[in-house]
This record gives sequence, C-alpha cells and structure tokens, in this order.
Amino acid sequence: EIVMTQSPATLSVSPGERATLSCRASQSVSSNLAWYQQKPGQAPRLLIYGASTRATGIPARFSGSGSGTEFTLTISSLQSEDFAVYYCQQYNNWPPGTFGQGTKVDIK
Amino acid sequence: EVQLLESGGGLVQPGGSLRLSCAVSGFTFSSYAMSWVRQAPGKGLEWVSAISDSGGKIYYADSVKGRFTISRDNYKNTLYLQMNSLRAEDTAIYYCAKDRMVYEKWGQGTLVTVSS
Repeated sequence: EIVMTQSPATLSVSPGERATLSCRASQSVSSNLAWYQQKPGQAPRLLIYGASTRATGIPARFSGSGSGTEFTLTISSLQSEDFAVYYCQQYNNWPPGTFGQGTKVDIK
Repeated sequence: EVQLLESGGGLVQPGGSLRLSCAVSGFTFSSYAMSWVRQAPGKGLEWVSAISDSGGKIYYADSVKGRFTISRDNYKNTLYLQMNSLRAEDTAIYYCAKDRMVYEKWGQGTLVTVSS
C-alpha cells in the first residue's frame, strides 16, 4: 500500500497570502493524484485531479503541480473561505486509493 | 443538480450490524461506479469499498473485507453498505461518493457509532 505524507500538519497564513502545501508518496504514483478540501462539518470537495487539473467550478487561485512522488497544492491568494483541511489522495495503485493525513490551513 | 443522500447510521453494539443507504439523483446512476469512504472522528479519510456501474466488480479495503458488503440497485438509484461484525474502530462518518477512484461528488455523510 502506498503511503501519502502531507506537510506541514498545520499552516498558518494571513488572508491574501500564498499557501503552499506538500504531499509525498512512498513510491511513484505518476500523475494520479487528487486534492480535496474539507471544511468543518462538511463533506470533502474535489479540487484537483490528475495532479494539476482543476475540478469543475474550482477557482483559478488553486493550482496543483508535481508528478512521481512529490506534489504541491498552491493557493495563490488565500480567501476567508479557503481556511480548511486539505487532503491529497493517490489513485495510481488502486485499490486502495490512499489519502494523506491532511494539512490544516488556519488564519495567522 | 447532483445529490447523494446517505442514511442508516446510528449507535450499534460491538458485533452488531447496520445497513447504510445512499440515494442518488441528478446523474445517470447506472453509468457510474460508486464508493464508500469513511472518516473516524477527528481523523483523516479512508477508502472503504467500491462497486462498478453494473455491480459486477466489487472492491474492499482489507480492514473491512469479509465483514462489509457493498451493493447497488440501479432501478432505485441507491447504493448500499451492509456492515456486519462491527468493531469500535468502525466508528466513523460514512460518505458515499460518485465514481471509483476520484470522488467528484460526495454525500453529506452518516455517522456510525460502535459502542456498548
């Protein structure tokens, strides 16, 4: 089973600033990586799939990059509604599709 | 509008059973694989099970294999998860999700609590 490791666990950012979240796979997952956003009390929401393709309706301030074992989610200018927990998920070696432990983005 | 609505969660004793349902609308249910993903309180996401569009291919996480059964009724546009021999570690919010590997749409979740 592929292990996904996200860093940092918590990222404190001021509104309007840039946030960079990292996700590392224990072995190559090619570009078969997705990012999800989850707010308290809500279901996750798909942001990015294929490592860099934004899902329908996702604002352009969200971008994904990377391939192989190293991936990044960048939020170019944080808005108040972006404070949430973010999960990466690999689906290259499926089943199972494994998730990272999450990065919480909170207000600095 | 795509909607997924889970039901059937609740409090159950260890060793007990529950059946979760996920009623779907807004897309052609019979054309898509479906999945269950769970989240223990305060924890991350864990894939549980998936089923192909026709129901002919089924997959389980090792943690639930032999205890959980996924199924679907394409006439009723409903996905199911039969959970037997429940353990304390099965306590979680259970989400149904559209598709097999990348989850574009999720339900709001149903809470399953396994406790005596």
